[in-house]
Amino acid sequence: SQQGEEDPQALSIQEGENATMNCSYKTSINNLQWYRQNSGRGLVHLILIRSNEREKHSGRLRVTLDTSKKSSSLLITASRAADTASYFCATGAFTGTASKLTFGTGTRLQVTL
Amino acid sequence: DVKVTQSSRYLVKRTGEKVFLECVQDMDHENMFWYRQDPGLGLRLIYFSYDVKMKEKGDIPEGYSVSREKKERFSLILESASTNQTSMYLCASSFRSGQGASNQPQHFGDGTRLSIL
Repeated sequence: SQQGEEDPQALSIQEGENATMNCSYKTSINNLQWYRQNSGRGLVHLILIRSNEREKHSGRLRVTLDTSKKSSSLLITASRAADTASYFCATGAFTGTASKLTFGTGTRLQVTL
Repeated sequence: DVKVTQSSRYLVKRTGEKVFLECVQDMDHENMFWYRQDPGLGLRLIYFSYDVKMKEKGDIPEGYSVSREKKERFSLILESASTNQTSMYLCASSFRSGQGASNQPQHFGDGTRLSIL
């Protein structure tokens, strides 16, 4: 079953603008991670935020987590054409034997010149 | 840098064939995972392994099996391929994290686009 749901499904912006993607989930989590996927490639880990953290930064990325609302957002500031990709949130849980991630369906971001 | 290598980028097989997808990682990761990715459905976990010869079913294991004889290699097997198994298959690996600890980031290969005719 899908844990994370991203919103919007697709986003088109111009270079230099900020891009905001949202993720909602259903159950308690240990952490939430964001990944990027360029067309035809595998996923690349961007950032991990723990359940006891509210905000985290990495370069032009800013992630927030609101566990009371079971939601997270990814903000990409001053976007570039190279940021064009699909972005996925993934929630982490422990099954008893291993750590498992459950991925959402992703947001397709298009950054135009 | 972590490298996860999948044996084929593109593969075409026929219905009923036994299909092997191979994945190798070079970072001594304990955990390895197989996902399939379909438009509108995101990534869905098929199987994962947390140690050599150990495996656990994911969300959609039906029609698949796995093998992990060595720590660095994790194979996905389609016992009798069917057209509904046409998909992008992604392998990933990560370090192990204990109960209560944060999950580790997963490192992905570039995927195998499998077509079953």
